[in-house]
Amino acid sequence: EAGVAQSPRYKIIEKRQSVAFWCNPISGHATLYWYQQILGQGPKLLIQFQNNGVVDDSQLPKDRFSAERLKGVDSTLKIQPAKLEDSAVYLCASSLDVQRQGPLDEQFFGPGTRLTVL
Amino acid sequence: DQQVKQNSPSLSVQEGRISILNCDYTNSMFDYFLWYKKYPAEGPTFLISISSIKDKNEDGRFTVFLNKSAKHLSLHIVPSQPGDSAVYFCAASAVPGANNLFFGTGTRLTVIP
Repeated sequence: EAGVAQSPRYKIIEKRQSVAFWCNPISGHATLYWYQQILGQGPKLLIQFQNNGVVDDSQLPKDRFSAERLKGVDSTLKIQPAKLEDSAVYLCASSLDVQRQGPLDEQFFGPGTRLTVL
Repeated sequence: DQQVKQNSPSLSVQEGRISILNCDYTNSMFDYFLWYKKYPAEGPTFLISISSIKDKNEDGRFTVFLNKSAKHLSLHIVPSQPGDSAVYFCAASAVPGANNLFFGTGTRLTVIP
């Protein structure tokens, strides 16, 4: 079974530029997550999708970050404009179905995209 | 506000000995706890979990202990192997099925051959 795919693996941009990350979850997984992991910290959830609807985006900085999940499968996360503090690894994860699995639906993580903002 | 804390950023253990990784949390609403393991340039992978109705869960060489009154959990690895060298993250969830995970900052375990 193929895992969660992410691209690009690395990205270097200058502040105020825009950047987009792509994620392809495991086939059949209804739930998709984007996490931000700043160096020396644990992953922090930015947004969670159930199919193509947003379940939780309370920690997404909506003035500069946006995310969408096309047709309930692939997802893109965009930052516009980027700031220095956005330098981090952006992890995508997917899980089968929050509603169907219990008590907790195992999340499978992709390798991440390392973003450096200069 | 860090709701899940791992106060030891690193730990070194001899091969064959026990590794004990610790995690503390502040939110009394957390009722499900997980440990993830992360190798460099890879995403975290699920290792073991425990529900708040239990105080111990064991899976092979890995055992997680939960002390709800102290809001503390620990991961025991015995015997430790060089392949266990990785960063270990503790995570917690407050609502069953909602899947909102709160992660600690991680502990880098090095198992010395």
